Amino acid sequence: SQQGEEDPQALSIQEGENATMNCSYKTSINNLQWYRQNSGRGLVHLILIRSNEREKHSGRLRVTLDTSKKSSSLLITASRAADTASYFCATSNDYKLSFGAGTTVTVRA
Amino acid sequence: DAMVIQNPRYQVTQFGKPVTLSCSQTLNHNVMYWYQQKSSQAPKLLFHYYDKDFNNEADTPDNFQSRRPNTSFCFLDIRSPGLGDAAMYLCATQGTDYGYTFGSGTRLTVV
Repeated sequence: SQQGEEDPQALSIQEGENATMNCSYKTSINNLQWYRQNSGRGLVHLILIRSNEREKHSGRLRVTLDTSKKSSSLLITASRAADTASYFCATSNDYKLSFGAGTTVTVRA
Repeated sequence: DAMVIQNPRYQVTQFGKPVTLSCSQTLNHNVMYWYQQKSSQAPKLLFHYYDKDFNNEADTPDNFQSRRPNTSFCFLDIRSPGLGDAAMYLCATQGTDYGYTFGSGTRLTVV
């Protein structure tokens, strides 16, 4: 069943701007992961943050996790047209990965 | 390169005609998953294997079955596809770092 909810559902930004999206979840987790999906394609793993971590960076990506609020955020800095995609958060517990509904990001050139 | 491969990329089947989707992996991961993703929705877990142990989600319809003959291969069988089963089907494996590797998916059309 769907665990996470993402906000906003859709985001349109200008190239070079930052994009921030949020994810909330309901139950305890081992880790939280973010994925990107280009239209009609499979999911690409972006970053994983464990339940005992608060912040993680990978290139232009910054992820935060607040387990007390059961929420996470993904920041993409200096966005590019190639970042146009849907972004999903997914929570992991007992070998199961449960996805949120996703945020569709459009980066305008 | 090590990866998860799904075949075919696109599958068209007739209403009620059994169809099988395949997934193979070269990662030697113990855990394999099948997800269903309908248009503009989140991927939904159908079932997963931990080695040969099969785990079915409670809300996965009986119409969906799976086989894992060995570590490398996993199949999704839809016994009698309905129009509502049209979706992207995603196979994934889980590595020791808990990150998942997804295949490119099979888009199923039911006519």
